[in-house]
Amino acid sequence: EAGVAQSPRYKIIEKRQSVAFWCNPISGHATLYWYQQILGQGPKLLIQFQNNGVVDDSQLPKDRFSAERLKGVDSTLKIQPAKLEDSAVYLCASSFGEGLTKNIQYFGAGTRLSVL
Amino acid sequence: AQKVTQAQTEISVVEKEDVTLDCVYETRDTTYYLFWYKQPPSGELVFLIRRNSFDEQNEISGRYSWNFQKSTSSFNFTITASQVVDSAVYFCALSEGYGSGNTGKLIFGQGTTLQVKP
Repeated sequence: EAGVAQSPRYKIIEKRQSVAFWCNPISGHATLYWYQQILGQGPKLLIQFQNNGVVDDSQLPKDRFSAERLKGVDSTLKIQPAKLEDSAVYLCASSFGEGLTKNIQYFGAGTRLSVL
Repeated sequence: AQKVTQAQTEISVVEKEDVTLDCVYETRDTTYYLFWYKQPPSGELVFLIRRNSFDEQNEISGRYSWNFQKSTSSFNFTITASQVVDSAVYFCALSEGYGSGNTGKLIFGQGTTLQVKP
């Protein structure tokens, strides 16, 4: 079974530029999560989708971050314009969203973003 | 407010030693789940275990064991006879609510970096 796919693995941009990350969850997983992991810290949830609807985006900096999951499968996370403090690893995770294992999340390898 | 604390930032042991990673959580919910994830250098978090707040039985899986104590709000993780391949960052996480009342949102601790030396 294929895992959660993310691209690119690494991205270096200058501040005020824009960047986009892509995530393809495990087949059949209804719930998709984007996390931000700053060096030395645990991941922090940015946004959670259930199919193509947003469940929780309370910690998403909406003035610069946006995310979509138009067809309820893959998802993109965008930052525009980027700030130095956005340097982090952006992790995507997915889960079934129902049943006994609904909240067991499976993670991709992440995209490491460096903002210069 | 919900919070997970992993007070040990880094632990270094020699191969074959036993090691315990501590996790203390705070929540106002009476129902919740607790998790442990492993993050090797490759970056992706690997699911290790999930426990719900109703089940305080300790669990053993090979060299791994978990001790859940609601009285002290702790969910500690022990690796017996550690190996070099156990070197990674380990995260404890909390998810509030149970069944349909659980959204899946994870609150992570800061992580503990475990280094196992040969």
